[in-house]
Amino acid sequence: EDQVTQSPEALRLQEGESSSLNCSYTVSGLRGLFWYRQDPGKGPEFLFTLYSAGEEKEKERLKATLTKKESFLHITAPKPEDSATYLCAVQAATVGGGSEKLVFGKGTKLTVNP
Amino acid sequence: NAGVMQNPRHLVRRRGQEARLRCSPMKGHSHVYWYRQLPEEGLKFMVYLQKENIIDESGMPKERFSAEFPKEGPSILRIQQVVRGDSAAYFCASSPTGGRGSPLHFGNGTRLTVT
Repeated sequence: EDQVTQSPEALRLQEGESSSLNCSYTVSGLRGLFWYRQDPGKGPEFLFTLYSAGEEKEKERLKATLTKKESFLHITAPKPEDSATYLCAVQAATVGGGSEKLVFGKGTKLTVNP
Repeated sequence: NAGVMQNPRHLVRRRGQEARLRCSPMKGHSHVYWYRQLPEEGLKFMVYLQKENIIDESGMPKERFSAEFPKEGPSILRIQQVVRGDSAAYFCASSPTGGRGSPLHFGNGTRLTVT
């Protein structure tokens, strides 16, 4: 069964204090690894897709990396507006094609204090 | 999250009533997914539909839950005879192709409360 584990569950940072969030996964044939941001009362907002080990993607203060077993979301010099829950999800290959569903982790709740 | 429209945003039902949740995907998207989110838990897949077809309903409870995505109109998630355990946030997502790496675009959800 495909599984996604995110750590830590919660993280408090001071503004400007860089850190990383971890996403470990087990999947039978990775088709893509996704990072989302979710604000309270809202739906997840797409950030990145990574396809293969060694790949990196950047957007403003965020950088996502991928290995064969885990992904990291690095946050450089965070600001209070980066406070949110960050979700990791995997899309697995399926026999005969078909469902392209994403399997999500429980998320890391990030709080950035001014 | 602009583009995927879900309504209502909040829905209160008494035990035994029916709940109908609606989702209009982004323009040009023909693939719809429904997820459920409980407090302190991750998003759990329920069902994946294309126009007039259910592709994968492996996450949907066998009893009381059904989903459809008709040729015309929004996708509907229907919960019959609701129980307190059905209280959750239900999210709809859409994608244009459903292919490899195709990200899902989510709506802002319907929060169902069963009293």
